[in-house]
Amino acid sequence: KAGVTQTPRYLIKTRGQQVTLSCSPISGHRSVSWYQQTPGQGLQFLFEYFSETQRNKGNFPGRFSGRQFSNSRSEMNVSTLELGDSALYLCASSLVWGLYTDTQYFGPGTRLTVL
Amino acid sequence: AQSVTQLGSHVSVSEGALVLLRCNYSSSVPPYLFWYVQYPNQGLQLLLKYTTGATLVKGINGFEAEFKKSETSFHLTKPSAHMSDAAEYFCAVSDLDTDKLIFGTGTRLQVFP
Repeated sequence: KAGVTQTPRYLIKTRGQQVTLSCSPISGHRSVSWYQQTPGQGLQFLFEYFSETQRNKGNFPGRFSGRQFSNSRSEMNVSTLELGDSALYLCASSLVWGLYTDTQYFGPGTRLTVL
Repeated sequence: AQSVTQLGSHVSVSEGALVLLRCNYSSSVPPYLFWYVQYPNQGLQLLLKYTTGATLVKGINGFEAEFKKSETSFHLTKPSAHMSDAAEYFCAVSDLDTDKLIFGTGTRLQVFP
């Protein structure tokens, strides 16, 4: 069974640009969550999608948005990039929604560098 | 709100020695608890989790953790460290109010030959 895949793995952007990251969950998983990982802030929850609906959201500005498609694939978008957005963005999938009820399986992440 | 404290951002052990990574949580209600491992340039992999039942939880790669409600702790142990255990380890706790996983800041484990 294929794991969670994220594309691209590495990305370099400049301030002010926007970026879209993609996540394909494990087959059959309907919940996708996104996390930002930085050395200073650690792992922070961005949002969770289930059945194309955002079920939960972390404390991030509106520049961070996401969506989920009918095949459960998810995209995350960051507009007007800032230097502080440089991070490893991790996607995780699980069978059902509710982050505490089911095991999350993480992808390898997309490393975003903002210059 | 829930919080997780991992004591020691770096832990070094010799190969074959006991591994002990500490995790304390803040909750009056027994939460769900998780340990994840992250190898360089990879995502997080679940080592083990505690939901209900037996307080000693066995995970993959020889790791285990014990849920101690009285101490609000969920420390991760492995009797004998292997070089391949070198990685960063994250403790996480469920926040039932917000339905989120709260991660600790991580502990980087180094294993020396």
